[in-house]
Amino acid sequence: NAGVMQNPRHLVRRRGQEARLRCSPMKGHSHVYWYRQLPEEGLKFMVYLQKENIIDESGMPKERFSAEFPKEGPSILRIQQVVRGDSAAYFCASSPSGGSEAFFGQGTRLTVV
Amino acid sequence: GQNIDQPTEMTATEGAIVQINCTYQTSGFNGLFWYQQHAGEAPTFLSYNVLDGLEEKGRFSSFLSRSKGYSYLLLKELQMKDSASYLCAVRPVGGTALIFGKGTTLSVSS
Repeated sequence: NAGVMQNPRHLVRRRGQEARLRCSPMKGHSHVYWYRQLPEEGLKFMVYLQKENIIDESGMPKERFSAEFPKEGPSILRIQQVVRGDSAAYFCASSPSGGSEAFFGQGTRLTVV
Repeated sequence: GQNIDQPTEMTATEGAIVQINCTYQTSGFNGLFWYQQHAGEAPTFLSYNVLDGLEEKGRFSSFLSRSKGYSYLLLKELQMKDSASYLCAVRPVGGTALIFGKGTTLSVSS
């Protein structure tokens, strides 16, 4: 049973470009969470999704960021018109239900140059 | 809102015991988690407490006091591979996403 898969592991984008980060949850998991981690900072919650629904996006910046978890395929975190401050590690986690422990992927390290 | 505090750094030697404290102030509480994160890697689940008391799992134990808003992670018989960041996280009432502290970086030396 493969764990949570994120790709790419490393992503370099120029300012103004778009970044797409993908997350495939563990088999049987229908709950996905996205977190951002800056150097020397803790994991900051961004968004919580179930299949085809955004449940909680209270941690998402109001502009340029969006997330989806379609019926088929991975969850996508999309960042439009990236800026240097978006450089961070983005982690995805999944769980089989809303109240259980979450399992994390290896993360995508985004660098904006 | 939520506020979670843990020491930034700790050091210890192989074979020793170390206790990493975590205090939290939340508008509601529905469980406390500890995760381990090695540099450049994914956080991995260590323990979960929802009731007061001590949960033991091998060399690792976690304690919770809800009335004091306090938890600790106890690591026994330290090994070099235990050098990592240890993240305390709270699940607020009515929510499912975890709120993380900044983590405690533990360095184990020989």
